[in-house]
Amino acid sequence: DAGITQSPRHKVTETGTPVTLRCHQTENHRYMYWYRQDPGHGLRLIHYSYGVKDTDKGEVSDGYSVSRSKTEDFLLTLESATSSQTSVYFCAINDGDSYEQYFGPGTRLTVT
Amino acid sequence: RKEVEQDPGPFNVPEGATVAFNCTYSNSASQSFFWYRQDCRKEPKLLMSVYSSGNEDGRFTAQLNRASQYISLLIRDSKLSDSATYLCAGYNFNKFYFGSGTKLNVKP
Repeated sequence: DAGITQSPRHKVTETGTPVTLRCHQTENHRYMYWYRQDPGHGLRLIHYSYGVKDTDKGEVSDGYSVSRSKTEDFLLTLESATSSQTSVYFCAINDGDSYEQYFGPGTRLTVT
Repeated sequence: RKEVEQDPGPFNVPEGATVAFNCTYSNSASQSFFWYRQDCRKEPKLLMSVYSSGNEDGRFTAQLNRASQYISLLIRDSKLSDSATYLCAGYNFNKFYFGSGTKLNVKP
């Protein structure tokens, strides 16, 4: 299995609070991605990174920001969580050569 | 319109059956395609890449039809352990686009 971890694995937070999710990889892959998965919508890309300090938006980026200060870490921040951001969040990595993605175990976030 | 679409199922099949899933994509510029398997409450796991020439891995065969813009996955001799949700994905300019998944239930 690819070396990807996510923390926390579960989180319950209140509307309006900031939340940061962490993705950590030990594969030294260039590309890292954040997705959310909701019933009926499948996996949707939030943001991705193509190198340290290089990030770009995905299809559902509103309300989210990201940062990547080191190759191994990619942070997803919800500046002010809303109930619509209740979801399962997956991080994924890709080496940029084969286009094959590998996913972390996911974070279940509930915003009350 | 979604970039990638697939029938949500469920497909309920007996053990030993052959089952096929299709997935259509809208962006003809998509460069590569993949099938993932996702078990309940788990992360998606790469099953196989999809090539125009078709590729086979044991009981699994994947095909890409660029003219009709669809990819397919064929599972032969279904096992109980094949029960899962199967996601198709396309890749285009650094981004991956996933279908919503097709649920497969293999019954004894």
